[in-house]
Order: sequence, then C-alpha cells, then structure tokens
Amino acid sequence: EIVLTQSPGTLSLSPGERATLSCRASQSVSSSYLAWYQQKPGRAPRLLIYDASSRATGIPDRFSGSGSGTDFTLTISRLEPEDFAVYYCQQYDSSRMYTFGQGTKLEIK
Amino acid sequence: QVQLQESGPGLVKPSDTLSLTCAVSGYSISSSHWWGWIRQPPGKGLEWIGYIYDSETAYYNPSLKSRVTMSVDTAKNQFSLKLTSVTAVDTAVFYCARKLRGSYSFDYWGQGTLVTVSS
Repeated sequence: EIVLTQSPGTLSLSPGERATLSCRASQSVSSSYLAWYQQKPGRAPRLLIYDASSRATGIPDRFSGSGSGTDFTLTISRLEPEDFAVYYCQQYDSSRMYTFGQGTKLEIK
Repeated sequence: QVQLQESGPGLVKPSDTLSLTCAVSGYSISSSHWWGWIRQPPGKGLEWIGYIYDSETAYYNPSLKSRVTMSVDTAKNQFSLKLTSVTAVDTAVFYCARKLRGSYSFDYWGQGTLVTVSS
C-alpha cells in the first residue's frame, strides 16, 4: 500500500499570501493517479486537481498542482477567505487501491 | 446537475450489518462510470472503501474486502453498500461519490451520512 504523507500538518497564513502544500508518497506514483481535494467542516470533499496538475471543473486558476514521482505540491497563489479548509491528496496504484494523505489544515493567521 | 444522496440507518448495533444506499439524480448510473464509497471517522481522514462499475465488476479496499459488498440498481438509479460485522471503529461519515471518467479521482460526492456503531 502506498502511504501519502502531507506536510505541514497545519499551515497558518493570511489572505493574499501564497500557500504551498506538500504530499510525499512512499513509492512512486503516476502523475495521472494523483488528486487534491478541499474539505470544509461538515462538508464533503471537493475535487480541486486531478492527474496531478489538471484543475477540476469550476476551480479557480489560483489553485495549481505540480510534481511527479514521490513529491507533489498544491499551490494556492493568493489566498481568499474561502480557501481556509483542510486539503487532502489522494493516489491510485496498480493494485487498484486508493489512499489519502492525512490532510493539511490551512488556517487563518 | 449530478447529485448524489446517501440514505440509511444512522445507528447500527455492533456485529450487525451496515447498509447504505446512494441515490443518483441528473445522471444515469448506467453510463460508463465507477460509483464508490469513502468514509471518514469523526475528526479523522478519508478512507476509500471501494467502487462498482456494474453488477459484476467491483473493487474493494483489501482491509475491508471480507466484509464489504456493493451493488447497483439501474432501475432505481442507485447503488448500495453493505458492511458486515461492524464494530465501533466503523463509526464514520460515509460518502458516496462518482469517479471522474478517464481519471482516478472523484468529482461528485454526496453530502455524507453519519453512521454510529453502538449498542
């Protein structure tokens, strides 16, 4: 099973700042198999990025994904008040298994 | 607009079977998509349970495989989850979701339903 480790656990920033969230895999992950989600309290996760760098429908262009192999990054270029939430990365592997990272909480500083 | 809605008992006794249904609207479940279940224990992260394509094709999380069964009902445009022999560690919010075609991610999610395992 591929384990995803997200860092930092909590990120404290102010609106307007740039956020960089990391997701590291215990084994190499195909870029086509890496996704990012945003989750707000009491809500379902929302797909932001799929295939490591493709924005999902309706996602603002301030969200971007990058990376390959074992290291992936979600960047939010300029934080808006509604961006403060928990973010999860997710991967799919050749054993037909999906796993999620433990999440990064993005909080207002 | 694709919408998914989970339903089922909010309280299940230990050793019993948890049964949930996901009703899909705005989209035919018979169209070429995988339909899945993901759960989230209170205050914790997300765990993929499995997904189903049709009545003969489903994949499950190996850690849950012995206790999980999924099914589809095309006439009702819904799919279902059964998890047997539940214990308190199975207490979670259960989400149903649609796998994005051509990708390995989930683009539409239900609002989630909390299932508590307790006597």
